[in-house]
Parts: sequence; C-alpha cells; structure tokens
Amino acid sequence: GAGVSQSPSNKVTEKGKDVELRCDPISGHTALYWYRQSLGQGLEFLIYFQGNSAPDKSGLPSDRFSAERTGGSVSTLTIQRTQQEDSAVYLCASSFSGTGGTTQYFGPGTRLTVL
Amino acid sequence: DAKTTQPPSMDCAEGRAANLPCNHSTISGNEYVYWYRQIHSQGPQYIIHGLKNNETNEMASLIITEDRKSSTLILPHATLRDTAVYYCIVGGGGTSYGKLTFGQGTILTVHP
Repeated sequence: GAGVSQSPSNKVTEKGKDVELRCDPISGHTALYWYRQSLGQGLEFLIYFQGNSAPDKSGLPSDRFSAERTGGSVSTLTIQRTQQEDSAVYLCASSFSGTGGTTQYFGPGTRLTVL
Repeated sequence: DAKTTQPPSMDCAEGRAANLPCNHSTISGNEYVYWYRQIHSQGPQYIIHGLKNNETNEMASLIITEDRKSSTLILPHATLRDTAVYYCIVGGGGTSYGKLTFGQGTILTVHP
C-alpha cells in the first residue's frame, strides 16, 4: 500500500508570501502529525490531529502557522507571511489508533526555502 | 524537552553488531520506548518499539532493562546502509496518543 505522501517536495518562496503544504496520510490512519526539521537539527513537533478531537496545537511556533485536516484524511499546513527562519523540512506522519503503542509513519517531507 | 539521553555518535564495523544505548530514567508506566532512524535527506523510519519485554523484528532487537530506565537497540549485522541518525523516544502509550519528542539522536557510522 501507499505510504504517507507530501507535496510539494520542494518549495521556494519569497519572504512575506503565504505557503500551503499538503499531506496525504496512509489510508485508515486516524492520527496525523506535523513536524519540522531545521538544517542539522532534530524534529520539532508542530501539531497533531486525532480523529474528531480538537487538534493539539501546542507546537505551533506562532499564529502565522495553522493546519487543517479535512474529512479525517488529507491535511494542509499553512504558513502565512513566511519568514526566513521558517526555512526547514516539514514532515508529516500518520498512525493507526490501536493498542500497543503508536507507530508513526513519516512522509518524505517538504523542503521549504524562504528567500 | 526530550526524555531520553543518547551518545551523540558511534562507529561500527560492517558486519558487526551495532549496540545503541539509550537512557530514559523518567519513563512513566504507560510509555513505550520507540526507535526511529533517519537516513540523510529522508523522513524518519520506524524501527521497533516495546513496553517492558524485549522485542525483535526483521530490522533489529530491542533490549529494555527490568526497571525500564534504559534500553539498547541492536542491529545484529550492520551494513553501510545502516549509517543514519538513530532516535530513541519515549511516549505514545496506551490510549494517550500524541506527539513523539525527538532528541538529537545518535549518529551511527558504519565503516567498511
């Protein structure tokens, strides 16, 4: 079966512009996560969706960042008025809610470059 | 803050076992130990996870101490393609699903 897919794979934008990053989780996975990874750094949690529950937004760095998950499947991460410090690889993961721990499966990421 | 402590780097000879340690002294009763790895420019890849018992799959073995305060990931026959950053993470237990907090991980270099 298909894994987690993300688009675009690369995005170059100018400072001040808005960008949208898309994530298609694995079919049937009820949980979806967004992380970002700056150059040479570890993963930083951004936001987490679980079923119909309110998302955990505790990792969003500012109000310029928002995310939606439509129909319990596809998710879009939006960054408004991008800044150069937003440059990073944005990673999406999904998992199946069941017993025995949550194994997250990651997509390939979107590399965002803000000029 | 990450709940785990790992050495920043390790080396291993190809064909030998790679033993990657992790300390997680503040782990709570319902938290699992997960191992992921990230090969350059790729998304993290799940390796294995466990709660109390030792676990083995086609990729690796996970040894968890009886007090659960530390664990070791074992790659039984390391290859050059196993060169990656290895992350030990605790969390995501029971019905408490959520984010995994990644630390800096261990850079494993497998050399010929």
